[in-house]
Amino acid sequence: DIVMTQSPLFLPVTPGEPASISCRSSQSLLHSNGNNYLHWYRQKAGQSPQLLIYMGSNRASGVPDRFSGSGSGTDFTLRISRVEAEDVGVYYCMQALQVPWMFGQGTKVEIK
Amino acid sequence: QVHLVQSGAEVREPGASVKVSCKASGYAFTAYAIHWVRQAPGQGLEWVGWIAGDIEDTKYSRKFRSRVTFTRDVSAGTAYMELRSLRSEDTAVFYCARGTGGLDFDYWGQGTLVTVSS
Repeated sequence: DIVMTQSPLFLPVTPGEPASISCRSSQSLLHSNGNNYLHWYRQKAGQSPQLLIYMGSNRASGVPDRFSGSGSGTDFTLRISRVEAEDVGVYYCMQALQVPWMFGQGTKVEIK
Repeated sequence: QVHLVQSGAEVREPGASVKVSCKASGYAFTAYAIHWVRQAPGQGLEWVGWIAGDIEDTKYSRKFRSRVTFTRDVSAGTAYMELRSLRSEDTAVFYCARGTGGLDFDYWGQGTLVTVSS
């Protein structure tokens, strides 16, 4: 199985400041078609997860442009350019290159 | 508007089975797979498996393979997950999610809490 490792696991943030989360996979997620099968989700307290970024760097519909994803192969980063209070929650990366799909442990983002 | 609506919370005794439904609307049901994800209390997300939208095909996580079965009723636009031989560790919220061509999950159900307790 592909193991997904996120860091940090807890991220206190200041509104208006940038924030970033790292996600590393135990195997490359780059497919021969050129796509990275790495997706990012956010889960707010008491809610279902929401897709933020797909294929490593593509914002999902309705996701604010302060969110961006980058990386390729085994190293990926989710960035928030200017954190807002509504961005709190747990962020997960997930690989979809190989069965079983695997999630990272989650990074809890809280306002300082 | 795409919606996935799941059945309500369930309570079962250890050793019993549970069947959770996920009714899809707002899109062509057979055009997308349905995935199932488990979240134990206070824990992270765990992929259980998926059922294809257009053909009779399923894939299960090794961890659940011996105890879980996915089915679907195309005419009703509904997918089902049955989990057997329940144990207390199965207490969790189960989510269904629509799987896209990019293999991400773009829409999620509201979750179904399954509680296993004697």
